[in-house]
Amino acid sequence: DAGVTQSPTHLIKTRGQQVTLRCSPISGHKSVSWYQQVLGQGPQFIFQYYEKEERGRGNFPDRFSARQFPNYSSELNVNALLLGDSALYLCASSSSPAGWTNTGELFFGEGSRLTVL
Amino acid sequence: AQKVTQAQTEISVVEKEDVTLDCVYETRDTTYYLFWYKQPPSGELVFLIRRNSFDEQNEISGRYSWNFQKSTSSFNFTITASQVVDSAVYFCALVTTQLVFGKGTKLTVNP
Repeated sequence: DAGVTQSPTHLIKTRGQQVTLRCSPISGHKSVSWYQQVLGQGPQFIFQYYEKEERGRGNFPDRFSARQFPNYSSELNVNALLLGDSALYLCASSSSPAGWTNTGELFFGEGSRLTVL
Repeated sequence: AQKVTQAQTEISVVEKEDVTLDCVYETRDTTYYLFWYKQPPSGELVFLIRRNSFDEQNEISGRYSWNFQKSTSSFNFTITASQVVDSAVYFCALVTTQLVFGKGTKLTVNP
């Protein structure tokens, strides 16, 4: 079975541009969450979706938005990019509505590495 | 507030040595979960273990073992007889209402 897939794997943008990152969860998983990992730091929670509804939101500005589609895939959008948005963006899927508390296991993709110049 | 501290930024050992990665957490919640994840250079986070706050039993899985002590708010991870393939960044994480990661410990196992 395919794991969590993310696209694109690498991308370069300039300040002020907008970016869309995509995530396909493991088949049968209905929960998707997004994390930002700045170089040298641990991942930081951005959003969690379950059954197309937002179930959690981290401490990120409104420039960050996300959505989940009927097939449970998800997109993360970042507007008005700043240099500080340069990071590895990780997507994780889970079969649990809470994303982590019930089964406790999140399956991560390899991430999309965004560089903002 | 929830916080996870991994005081060891980098550790370097020689193959076959035992190594312990420290994790100290802070939370006011009585119900929480603790995790360890491994991040190889490819980037994806690989789940290693989950523990809930009511289960203080230590766990062993092959060369890996975990020591959970609520009295000291610690959840340490030991690799016995380390191998080069263990080289990675290891993250400890805490969940109450959100998943909070520590900053990670980069482990390098040299041949």
